[in-house]
Amino acid sequence: ELKVEQNPLFLSMQEGKNYTIYCNYSTTSDRLYWYRQDPGKSLESLFVLLSNGAVKQEGRLMASLDTKARLSTLHITAAVHDLSATYFCAVDMTYNNDMRFGAGTRLTVKP
Amino acid sequence: DGGITQSPKYLFRKEGQNVTLSCEQNLNHDAMYWYRQDPGQGLRLIYYSQIVNDFQKGDIAEGYSVSREKKESFPLTVTSAQKNPTAFYLCASSHLGFYGGPEQFFGPGTRLTVL
Repeated sequence: ELKVEQNPLFLSMQEGKNYTIYCNYSTTSDRLYWYRQDPGKSLESLFVLLSNGAVKQEGRLMASLDTKARLSTLHITAAVHDLSATYFCAVDMTYNNDMRFGAGTRLTVKP
Repeated sequence: DGGITQSPKYLFRKEGQNVTLSCEQNLNHDAMYWYRQDPGQGLRLIYYSQIVNDFQKGDIAEGYSVSREKKESFPLTVTSAQKNPTAFYLCASSHLGFYGGPEQFFGPGTRLTVL
């Protein structure tokens, strides 16, 4: 059974600081997704990582995938308040359209 | 505009009632999904469908039913057998297959409360 673990589950940061969120998964997959969710809202797609070594960046967020280690990271650079949200990683059981989500990391960026 | 719509946004159910949540997409996606999210939790898969007139149970299908009569529509019925249905329900859709990855796009959600 595919398990997806995120850590930390809660993260409180000061503005301007850097931090990394980790996503580990338990079975072979080369397709990993990062989503953002604001309170009471739906999920917004951030990154799609489709191969080992994939790295994508958008603004202050950068995501990477290491399929051999079964690990993805979401790195936050110089955090700003607008990044406060819950971030989910999701892993696709390859070619099965059966996606599993991590529990989410609730990020709070304080001034 | 292409997208996924869910209705209603808020729904209140009395004990013992069945209710149906609507999900429609005009993205021409083959696959559609229903997830449940409880406060402070991740998403759990209820049902998914990869093709019209076919669907599969997810991790928490008990007390729920679905149909897929049209490619664009995937309604979810929460039956009286679901003992704790209060939650946020999210519908998603995606392409199928190997190429490009089946990134899922989400609707705005329906918040169901049992009175």
